[in-house]
Amino acid sequence: ETGVTQSPTHLIKTRGQQVTLRCSSQSGHNTVSWYQQALGQGPQFIFQYYREEENGRGNFPPRFSGLQFPNYSSELNVNALELDDSALYLCASSFSDRDLEQYFGPGTRLTVT
Amino acid sequence: GENVEQHPSTLSVQEGDSAVIKCTYSDSASNYFPWYKQELGKGPQLIIDIRSNVGEKKDQRIAVTLNKTAKHFSLHITETQPEDSAVYFCAANYMRFGAGTRLTVKP
Repeated sequence: ETGVTQSPTHLIKTRGQQVTLRCSSQSGHNTVSWYQQALGQGPQFIFQYYREEENGRGNFPPRFSGLQFPNYSSELNVNALELDDSALYLCASSFSDRDLEQYFGPGTRLTVT
Repeated sequence: GENVEQHPSTLSVQEGDSAVIKCTYSDSASNYFPWYKQELGKGPQLIIDIRSNVGEKKDQRIAVTLNKTAKHFSLHITETQPEDSAVYFCAANYMRFGAGTRLTVKP
């Protein structure tokens, strides 16, 4: 069974640029959630995707957007990057939107300069 | 809004001692309470969880208790080992996480 994978591992961008982060869900899982984890803090929920549709969103502005593909992999897109967007971005997958048990990937470390 | 408060923020124990981390939540609709362990450079790893219809759950050296009336839940680690050193997070459902507890187990 393949776990949750994320790419890239690290990324450096300049303020104002756009970034796309990728996540492959665990085998058999159709639901993906994205989180932002600032240094020294707990993960903050960005949004969840279930069967290619957004299925819940946290308190993040519209410049944070996502996609889910038919194979249940997912992308997180962030436009107009700000310095405060520097964080570890985590993806987690679960068996379904009703299954609260989720498993995290290793994360993508984004640095905005 | 809905918050999860976690205490303490840091905890240092001697190997073999017990460690207890406590969380409180505000949303009475929460019905799933997972605990995660995060090691340096890694994503959070689910170590134990409890649902609202259960008061206590145990898995070897790890146990979790839930008091729905008081809206608090706790993680108990017995016979701690140096490899238990990590940051531990509680959560209410999948959306609300505590700020984390850095546990250090001294050999």
